[in-house]
Amino acid sequence: AQSVAQPEDQVNVAEGNPLTVKCTYSVSGNPYLFWYVQYPNRGLQFLLKYITGDNLVKGSYGFEAEFNKSQTSFHLKKPSALVSDSALYFCAVRDSRRGGGADGLTFGKGTHLIIQP
Amino acid sequence: NAGVTQTPKFRVLKTGQSMTLLCAQDMNHEYMYWYRQDPGMGLRLIHYSVGEGTTAKGEVPDGYNVSRLKKQNFLLGLESAAPSQTSVYFCASSYSGQRDGYTFGSGTRLTVV
Repeated sequence: AQSVAQPEDQVNVAEGNPLTVKCTYSVSGNPYLFWYVQYPNRGLQFLLKYITGDNLVKGSYGFEAEFNKSQTSFHLKKPSALVSDSALYFCAVRDSRRGGGADGLTFGKGTHLIIQP
Repeated sequence: NAGVTQTPKFRVLKTGQSMTLLCAQDMNHEYMYWYRQDPGMGLRLIHYSVGEGTTAKGEVPDGYNVSRLKKQNFLLGLESAAPSQTSVYFCASSYSGQRDGYTFGSGTRLTVV
Protein backbone atom coordinates (compact mmCIF):
# COMPACT_ATOMS: atom_id res chain seq x y z
CA ALA A 1 0.00 0.00 0.00
CA GLN A 2 1.08 3.55 -0.57
CA SER A 3 0.66 6.27 2.04
CA VAL A 4 1.83 9.77 2.79
CA ALA A 5 1.97 11.74 6.02
CA GLN A 6 2.09 15.47 6.64
CA PRO A 7 2.89 15.70 10.33
CA GLU A 8 1.98 19.38 10.76
CA ASP A 9 -1.57 20.67 10.47
CA GLN A 10 -0.29 24.24 10.38
CA VAL A 11 3.02 25.98 9.83
CA ASN A 12 3.53 29.64 10.74
CA VAL A 13 6.37 31.61 9.21
CA ALA A 14 7.25 35.29 9.19
CA GLU A 15 7.43 36.95 5.80
CA GLY A 16 10.94 36.87 4.39
CA ASN A 17 11.99 33.83 6.42
CA PRO A 18 12.61 30.41 4.88
CA LEU A 19 9.79 27.90 5.06
CA THR A 20 9.58 24.12 5.17
CA VAL A 21 6.47 21.97 4.88
CA LYS A 22 7.16 18.37 5.80
CA CYS A 23 6.08 15.21 3.99
CA THR A 24 7.01 11.56 4.50
CA TYR A 25 5.86 8.64 2.41
CA SER A 26 5.63 4.87 2.34
CA VAL A 27 5.70 2.74 -0.82
CA SER A 28 6.97 -0.71 -1.72
CA GLY A 29 8.65 0.36 -4.95
CA ASN A 30 10.07 3.68 -6.04
CA PRO A 31 7.96 6.75 -5.31
CA TYR A 32 6.53 9.32 -7.64
CA LEU A 33 6.05 12.38 -5.45
CA PHE A 34 4.04 15.55 -5.95
CA TRP A 35 3.22 18.82 -4.21
CA TYR A 36 0.01 20.74 -4.78
CA VAL A 37 -1.27 24.05 -3.42
CA GLN A 38 -4.88 24.98 -2.77
CA TYR A 39 -6.05 28.55 -2.31
CA PRO A 40 -9.43 29.21 -0.61
CA ASN A 41 -12.42 28.02 -2.63
CA ARG A 42 -10.20 26.84 -5.47
CA GLY A 43 -9.03 23.54 -6.89
CA LEU A 44 -5.56 22.14 -6.34
CA GLN A 45 -2.71 23.50 -8.42
CA PHE A 46 0.37 21.48 -9.31
CA LEU A 47 3.63 22.85 -7.85
CA LEU A 48 6.31 20.27 -8.58
CA LYS A 49 7.09 16.59 -8.84
CA TYR A 50 9.88 14.09 -8.31
CA ILE A 51 10.03 11.12 -10.65
CA THR A 52 13.71 10.30 -10.90
CA GLY A 53 17.06 12.05 -11.12
CA ASP A 54 18.22 15.01 -9.05
CA ASN A 55 17.05 14.94 -5.46
CA LEU A 56 16.38 18.68 -5.46
CA VAL A 57 13.36 19.56 -7.57
CA LYS A 58 12.42 23.11 -8.50
CA GLY A 59 8.84 24.13 -9.17
CA SER A 60 6.43 27.00 -9.51
CA TYR A 61 6.44 30.24 -7.50
CA GLY A 62 10.01 29.73 -6.22
CA PHE A 63 9.22 26.50 -4.38
CA GLU A 64 11.54 23.52 -4.32
CA ALA A 65 11.48 20.12 -2.68
CA GLU A 66 14.18 17.72 -1.61
CA PHE A 67 13.77 13.98 -2.07
CA ASN A 68 15.51 11.96 0.64
CA LYS A 69 15.25 8.22 0.03
CA SER A 70 16.85 7.12 3.30
CA GLN A 71 14.44 9.23 5.33
CA THR A 72 11.51 8.60 2.94
CA SER A 73 10.83 12.33 2.90
CA PHE A 74 9.93 14.97 0.34
CA HIS A 75 9.87 18.29 2.18
CA LEU A 76 8.69 21.45 0.42
CA LYS A 77 10.89 24.51 0.84
CA LYS A 78 11.18 28.14 -0.13
CA PRO A 79 14.09 30.45 0.78
CA SER A 80 11.99 33.55 1.45
CA ALA A 81 8.28 33.34 2.26
CA LEU A 82 5.67 35.74 0.89
CA VAL A 83 2.29 36.55 2.44
CA SER A 84 0.76 35.35 -0.82
CA ASP A 85 2.18 31.87 -0.15
CA SER A 86 -0.43 31.40 2.57
CA ALA A 87 -2.53 28.44 1.46
CA LEU A 88 -3.19 24.73 2.02
CA TYR A 89 -0.44 22.45 0.74
CA PHE A 90 -0.81 18.78 -0.15
CA CYS A 91 1.84 16.16 -0.66
CA ALA A 92 0.91 13.15 -2.82
CA VAL A 93 2.58 9.86 -3.72
CA ARG A 94 2.25 7.03 -6.19
CA ASP A 95 4.10 3.74 -5.99
CA SER A 96 5.92 3.01 -9.25
CA ARG A 97 5.16 -0.70 -8.77
CA ARG A 98 1.40 -0.25 -9.00
CA GLY A 99 0.32 -1.62 -12.33
CA GLY A 100 -1.76 0.22 -14.85
CA GLY A 101 -0.62 3.62 -13.73
CA ALA A 102 -4.06 4.92 -13.14
CA ASP A 103 -5.48 4.12 -9.72
CA GLY A 104 -4.87 7.55 -8.37
CA LEU A 105 -2.46 9.48 -6.26
CA THR A 106 -2.64 9.15 -2.49
CA PHE A 107 -2.77 12.55 -0.82
CA GLY A 108 -1.73 13.67 2.62
CA LYS A 109 -4.18 15.47 4.87
CA GLY A 110 -2.73 18.85 4.01
CA THR A 111 -0.76 21.53 5.85
CA HIS A 112 -2.01 25.06 6.33
CA LEU A 113 0.84 27.46 5.66
CA ILE A 114 0.38 30.89 7.23
CA ILE A 115 2.84 33.65 6.38
CA GLN A 116 2.70 36.51 8.81
CA PRO A 117 3.57 40.05 7.62
CA ASN B 1 -7.87 27.24 -22.30
CA ALA B 2 -10.58 25.83 -20.01
CA GLY B 3 -8.71 22.82 -18.59
CA VAL B 4 -11.07 20.91 -16.28
CA THR B 5 -14.57 22.28 -15.78
CA GLN B 6 -16.95 21.08 -13.09
CA THR B 7 -20.67 21.78 -12.91
CA PRO B 8 -22.44 22.72 -10.76
CA LYS B 9 -20.24 24.69 -8.35
CA PHE B 10 -22.70 24.48 -5.46
CA ARG B 11 -25.69 22.29 -4.66
CA VAL B 12 -27.94 21.55 -1.71
CA LEU B 13 -29.77 18.23 -1.73
CA LYS B 14 -32.30 16.66 0.56
CA THR B 15 -31.57 13.19 1.91
CA GLY B 16 -32.63 10.60 -0.63
CA GLN B 17 -32.45 12.87 -3.67
CA SER B 18 -30.24 12.05 -6.61
CA MET B 19 -27.92 14.18 -8.70
CA THR B 20 -25.12 14.03 -11.24
CA LEU B 21 -21.90 16.01 -11.15
CA LEU B 22 -20.33 16.70 -14.51
CA CYS B 23 -16.63 16.96 -15.24
CA ALA B 24 -15.36 18.01 -18.65
CA GLN B 25 -11.75 18.31 -19.82
CA ASP B 26 -10.44 19.69 -23.10
CA MET B 27 -6.83 18.47 -22.87
CA ASN B 28 -7.36 15.07 -24.48
CA HIS B 29 -6.35 13.35 -21.24
CA GLU B 30 -6.91 9.62 -20.96
CA TYR B 31 -7.19 9.40 -17.18
CA MET B 32 -9.85 11.06 -15.07
CA TYR B 33 -10.57 10.93 -11.34
CA TRP B 34 -13.17 11.93 -8.78
CA TYR B 35 -11.99 12.86 -5.29
CA ARG B 36 -13.80 14.14 -2.25
CA GLN B 37 -12.24 16.55 0.20
CA ASP B 38 -13.27 16.61 3.83
CA PRO B 39 -11.72 18.71 6.61
CA GLY B 40 -8.70 17.01 8.18
CA MET B 41 -8.92 14.05 5.80
CA GLY B 42 -7.24 15.32 2.68
CA LEU B 43 -8.47 14.04 -0.67
CA ARG B 44 -9.87 10.55 -1.04
CA LEU B 45 -10.34 8.83 -4.38
CA ILE B 46 -13.93 7.83 -5.18
CA HIS B 47 -13.71 6.43 -8.73
CA TYR B 48 -11.40 6.75 -11.68
CA SER B 49 -11.25 6.03 -15.39
CA VAL B 50 -8.34 4.99 -17.58
CA GLY B 51 -10.09 5.85 -20.81
CA GLU B 52 -13.38 6.19 -22.64
CA GLY B 53 -15.84 3.50 -21.61
CA THR B 54 -13.86 2.41 -18.52
CA THR B 55 -14.42 3.03 -14.82
CA ALA B 56 -12.96 1.60 -11.61
CA LYS B 57 -13.47 1.93 -7.87
CA GLY B 58 -11.20 4.00 -5.69
CA GLU B 59 -10.84 4.20 -1.94
CA VAL B 60 -14.40 5.34 -1.04
CA PRO B 61 -16.77 4.26 -3.86
CA ASP B 62 -19.87 3.33 -1.84
CA GLY B 63 -22.94 5.43 -2.63
CA TYR B 64 -21.50 6.72 -5.91
CA ASN B 65 -21.60 5.64 -9.54
CA VAL B 66 -19.68 6.97 -12.52
CA SER B 67 -19.74 6.87 -16.29
CA ARG B 68 -17.26 7.80 -19.03
CA LEU B 69 -19.22 7.58 -22.26
CA LYS B 70 -17.05 10.21 -23.93
CA LYS B 71 -13.35 10.73 -23.45
CA GLN B 72 -13.75 14.33 -22.39
CA ASN B 73 -16.52 13.76 -19.81
CA PHE B 74 -16.58 11.94 -16.48
CA LEU B 75 -19.87 11.92 -14.59
CA LEU B 76 -20.32 11.24 -10.88
CA GLY B 77 -23.76 10.18 -9.70
CA LEU B 78 -25.34 10.02 -6.30
CA GLU B 79 -28.41 7.79 -6.46
CA SER B 80 -29.74 8.45 -2.96
CA ALA B 81 -27.87 11.23 -1.20
CA ALA B 82 -26.96 10.92 2.46
CA PRO B 83 -25.66 13.58 4.90
CA SER B 84 -22.33 11.71 4.99
CA GLN B 85 -21.87 12.70 1.35
CA THR B 86 -21.70 16.37 2.26
CA SER B 87 -18.29 17.31 0.93
CA VAL B 88 -16.35 19.18 -1.71
CA TYR B 89 -15.91 17.08 -4.83
CA PHE B 90 -12.98 17.52 -7.18
CA CYS B 91 -12.48 16.12 -10.62
CA ALA B 92 -8.98 15.75 -12.02
CA SER B 93 -7.44 14.54 -15.24
CA SER B 94 -4.01 13.33 -16.28
CA TYR B 95 -2.30 12.52 -19.55
CA SER B 96 -0.52 9.33 -18.49
CA GLY B 97 -1.66 8.57 -14.96
CA GLN B 98 1.81 7.44 -13.92
CA ARG B 99 4.29 10.24 -13.91
CA ASP B 100 2.22 13.27 -14.81
CA GLY B 101 0.66 15.69 -12.40
CA TYR B 102 -3.07 16.11 -12.32
CA THR B 103 -5.12 19.08 -13.51
CA PHE B 104 -7.95 19.76 -11.10
CA GLY B 105 -11.30 21.40 -11.55
CA SER B 106 -12.45 24.13 -9.18
CA GLY B 107 -14.72 21.81 -7.23
CA THR B 108 -18.37 21.25 -6.38
CA ARG B 109 -19.53 22.02 -2.87
CA LEU B 110 -22.38 19.63 -2.03
CA THR B 111 -24.50 19.83 1.10
CA VAL B 112 -26.98 17.07 1.92
CA VAL B 113 -29.59 18.03 4.51
